[in-house]
Amino acid sequence: DQQVKQNSPSLSVQEGRISILNCDYTNSMFDYFLWYKKYPAEGPTFLISISSIKDKNEDGRFTVFLNKSAKHLSLHIVPSQPGDSAVYFCAAMSQTSYDKVIFGPGTSLSVIP
Amino acid sequence: EAQVTQNPRYLITVTGKKLTVTCSQNMNHEYMSWYRQDPGLGLRQIYYSMNVEVTDKGDVPEGYKVSRKEKRNFPLILESPSPNQTSLYFCASSLESARGTEAFFGQGTRLTVV
Repeated sequence: DQQVKQNSPSLSVQEGRISILNCDYTNSMFDYFLWYKKYPAEGPTFLISISSIKDKNEDGRFTVFLNKSAKHLSLHIVPSQPGDSAVYFCAAMSQTSYDKVIFGPGTSLSVIP
Repeated sequence: EAQVTQNPRYLITVTGKKLTVTCSQNMNHEYMSWYRQDPGLGLRQIYYSMNVEVTDKGDVPEGYKVSRKEKRNFPLILESPSPNQTSLYFCASSLESARGTEAFFGQGTRLTVV
């Protein structure tokens, strides 16, 4: 049973528009969340993270929103660029297993020029 | 250049033949970790290490061993590989913890067990 879910396997967005990638989790002990981006034939790269004491974290074009009551987070990319086309993984960490990381299955984003 | 290096990049082996995938980082990071990536399942953590001689199980440790005798190296050992260990493997490192500090990943090792 997956504790971190990304229910959209793929997403297509026009260049310049907003991309919204969603992530849901089931474990209420998760208190730290991360997003990674992965290009084909490369390892994942860290994008942005958020602690459960916050509900928003911003870094340039990337913003992560956390809704603890809904156990939901989302990554917003504004404006989307063709170079953002990649697989995006949501990941979570728990207070009880302090350094164990649980990843979601990923969402493949295509930004169309 | 700061990097995490895995070797080999590709490996085809037979069931039961012991193998080791090496991982080395040059950033003096304390935290290192191994993941496997499978279609529809994303990345699953196999083992992680907080520092030299400190290792712990991730989500899917069965069939794998690790060691951390030196800070820079974190090899993944498959004592008796089986076909269900066919996967894409990634090693990662970060400064102190997977929390709050950026993790750097290697380029991956594609393992096929026949």
